[in-house]
Amino acid sequence: DTAVSQTPKYLVTQMGNDKSIKCEQNLGHDTMYWYKQDSKKFLKIMFSYNNKELIINETVPNRFSPKSPDKAHLNLHINSLELGDSAVYFCATASRKSNEQYFGPGTRLTVT
Amino acid sequence: SQKIEQNSEALNIQEGKTATLTCNYTNYSPAYLQWYRQDPGRGPVFLLLIRENEKEKRKERLKVTFDTTLKQSLFHITASQPADSATYLCALGRESSASKIIFGSGTRLSIRP
Repeated sequence: DTAVSQTPKYLVTQMGNDKSIKCEQNLGHDTMYWYKQDSKKFLKIMFSYNNKELIINETVPNRFSPKSPDKAHLNLHINSLELGDSAVYFCATASRKSNEQYFGPGTRLTVT
Repeated sequence: SQKIEQNSEALNIQEGKTATLTCNYTNYSPAYLQWYRQDPGRGPVFLLLIRENEKEKRKERLKVTFDTTLKQSLFHITASQPADSATYLCALGRESSASKIIFGSGTRLSIRP
């Protein structure tokens, strides 16, 4: 039973399109994150939600909009996709009691 | 600005030897430091956490040290095995409601038989 799942695993789309990536966790954690990992493997935080409330919003273009319908889900919607958005996007969770982060399998986004 | 450096982009060692990876940071005062393992095509997996008031932490063949004066952590894998081959990421964090952590760019470790 997967703790943190993401869909889709691969996403190939053209510039200008709008796409969404979904994340679900069954760990009961309060905090969820979206990270972007570029081609150099640098993992950078984009957003963090705690109990459905946005608490971290790093310098990310407003074309990226996270949405948390409930504590178990954090989706990422991207408008007007650009070539530079190509990367692997990871969802992660953490509990208040522990600082460990649990990552999903990643979504490889390719914008052509 | 905050900076985390993992000293080697890649490290190749012989099976059975101890692998030592380094994580240095500047312009940051972390409350804790973490190490993660990432295999190709997968998400990072948490390995160890060490707090600012701890000098050393061990877990099976893994050992982590944390020197807040030098602003450095060392990650050791003893009796290394080819299955230990992966990218290892260090991450720094502070105790806060935001729970934000900052990752280094990783070191790709290869253990040759």
